[in-house]
Amino acid sequence: GAVVSQHPSWVICKSGTSVKIECRSLDFQATTMFWYRQFPKQSLMLMATSNEGSKATYEQGVEKDKFLINHASLTLSTLTVTSAHPEDSSFYICSARGRQGVDTFGSGTRLTVV
Amino acid sequence: GENVEQHPSTLSVQEGDSAVIKCTYSDSASNYFPWYKQELGKGPQLIIDIRSNVGEKKDQRIAVTLNKTAKHFSLHITETQPEDSAVYFCAASIETGANNLFFGTGTRLTVIP
Repeated sequence: GAVVSQHPSWVICKSGTSVKIECRSLDFQATTMFWYRQFPKQSLMLMATSNEGSKATYEQGVEKDKFLINHASLTLSTLTVTSAHPEDSSFYICSARGRQGVDTFGSGTRLTVV
Repeated sequence: GENVEQHPSTLSVQEGDSAVIKCTYSDSASNYFPWYKQELGKGPQLIIDIRSNVGEKKDQRIAVTLNKTAKHFSLHITETQPEDSAVYFCAASIETGANNLFFGTGTRLTVIP
């Protein structure tokens, strides 16, 4: 079945530094990838949609300069949280959409900014 | 845009009993309805999905029903087991291009041994 690898699974960083999260579709090509943020005991909040080779489309209220998304290939998208602050601490999840239109999720990245 | 509501927010059942989770959606153009199971600290996993051209779909102990007229769909889990305990999310989308999924608020299912 479709597998999406997300790394790292957890990261602790100092306030003001940047963190990069990778999302890879291992056995299929992803026409579109999505990035979500999830707060404890809440649903998934869509941050942005990215298509390979084009700029990401950000949801209202999501700062594109803070959450940099690069979808360099059909199997890799990255999310960089720039100048991280404690309020950026959260669970970040990516998903990749295959040609059959099904979204497969990564295992998530727990970011803690201290 | 699409609005997906999900009930109940929490559900406890005895092992072996059935569990039913219900969702409603607002956009009649939505035609794809997946259900995801999320265990603590992990990403959601697709457990079953249904498209608007069918009314019901089964996969072993899991079934989903769809009522397009009423704009609601439900997840049914029979013979529940402790390992079914997790948070379940319904979602809806228009299955074209890069349209994103709209998620419900989640149901925390606890199966009591």
